[in-house]
Amino acid sequence: SQTIHQWPATLVQPVGSPLSLECTVEGTSNPNLYWYRQAAGRGLQLLFYSVGIGQISSEVPQNLSASRPQDRQFILSSKKLLLSDSGFYLCAWGVDSNQPQHFGDGTRLSIL
Amino acid sequence: AQSVTQPDIHITVSEGASLELRCNYSYGATPYLFWYVQSPGQGLQLLLKYFSGDTLVQGIKGFEAEFKRSQSSFNLRKPSVHWSDAAEYFCAVGARNNDMRFGAGTRLTVKP
Repeated sequence: SQTIHQWPATLVQPVGSPLSLECTVEGTSNPNLYWYRQAAGRGLQLLFYSVGIGQISSEVPQNLSASRPQDRQFILSSKKLLLSDSGFYLCAWGVDSNQPQHFGDGTRLSIL
Repeated sequence: AQSVTQPDIHITVSEGASLELRCNYSYGATPYLFWYVQSPGQGLQLLLKYFSGDTLVQGIKGFEAEFKRSQSSFNLRKPSVHWSDAAEYFCAVGARNNDMRFGAGTRLTVKP
């Protein structure tokens, strides 16, 4: 069966520090991969999605970036975090738009 | 691009009462529709989905949803709410470009 792993579960970082969140999927090949951010009391904002290795689409211009170095690995990064980057980050994978997306357990990011 | 509106930010119901969460979508073709539930600090879990066919779909945990094309709606219902149903609920619409858009969510509180 397919599984998705996100880590870390919780992260506290100072303003201006770098960021790397990792997401890996097991049990499927060539999935579509997604990064979402969920601010407190708000819905999901799609940040990036990828349909293949090295293919990244950005939905919202910001100081975050994403990379897909391997088929089932999706990384969210930042060189310098801002206070506004605080939130709950969710990784998801899917096969097609007519299939549901499957979510990881999320990373709670707090910027101090 | 497709979009989803969940008009109710927060709903409170008594345990044992019926529940209806509203969802309206905008999409030019037949949509793929989903309802997800999110418990605090966790990822999203799929409740049910609609692709085609019978407009009344059954999901897990006793939930159902009805697709009404004329009203562009996909409302989620449950005849009798349990305290464990307290969570955030998201409606989503998928399109044929591997994209999925989520509503802002409805937070459900269940009174004893």
